[in-house]
Amino acid sequence: EAGVTQFPSHSVIEKGQTVTLRCDPISGHDNLYWYRRVMGKEIKFLLHFVKESKQDESGMPNNRFLAERTGGTYSTLKVQPAELEDSGVYFCASSVNRGQETQYFGPGTRLLVL
Amino acid sequence: KQEVTQIPAALSVPEGENLVLNCSFTDSAIYNLQWFRQDPGKGLTSLLLIQSSQREQTSGRLNASLDKSSGRSTLYIAASQPGDSATYLCAVRRGTDKLIFGTGTRLQVFP
Repeated sequence: EAGVTQFPSHSVIEKGQTVTLRCDPISGHDNLYWYRRVMGKEIKFLLHFVKESKQDESGMPNNRFLAERTGGTYSTLKVQPAELEDSGVYFCASSVNRGQETQYFGPGTRLLVL
Repeated sequence: KQEVTQIPAALSVPEGENLVLNCSFTDSAIYNLQWFRQDPGKGLTSLLLIQSSQREQTSGRLNASLDKSSGRSTLYIAASQPGDSATYLCAVRRGTDKLIFGTGTRLQVFP
């Protein structure tokens, strides 16, 4: 069974540009989560989808971040325009059901904004 | 507000030692607690998941305990090996689905 995949693995962009990150969850997982870790800090929650619906987006830092999950399969996270403080590692995770289930994480996308 | 702390931040030990990594959380009203391992440049690998009603979970040389009332969890690694070198993260889940992570313990096991 394929795990959670993320693309790209690395991205280097200039301040003001747009970047779109993609996450493909494990097949059959209705729950999809985005997290990120900025330099020197702990991993923090961004948002949670149940199928195509946003269940919790309380961790989204501001309106420069837009997440979508059309059709309830893969998800994209767009940052527009990117700022220096957006640099970090963006992780995606998925789980079958809510509540007691283990969340399975992807390898992350390393974003550097110059 | 839930805060998760991991001590020590870094640990370097010779091969063969038994280790204890600590995780503490400020709000005992958790749903479960998960231990992860992260290798450099890689994603997170789930090691153990302890439900709030459980006291411990074991997988191979790993044993995780949970004392919810005192806000503590420990990850015990028996007979450490160089391949155990990684960053170990604990994360708690409350009523919502999001995980709240600690800052991690960076472990190095040398031959």
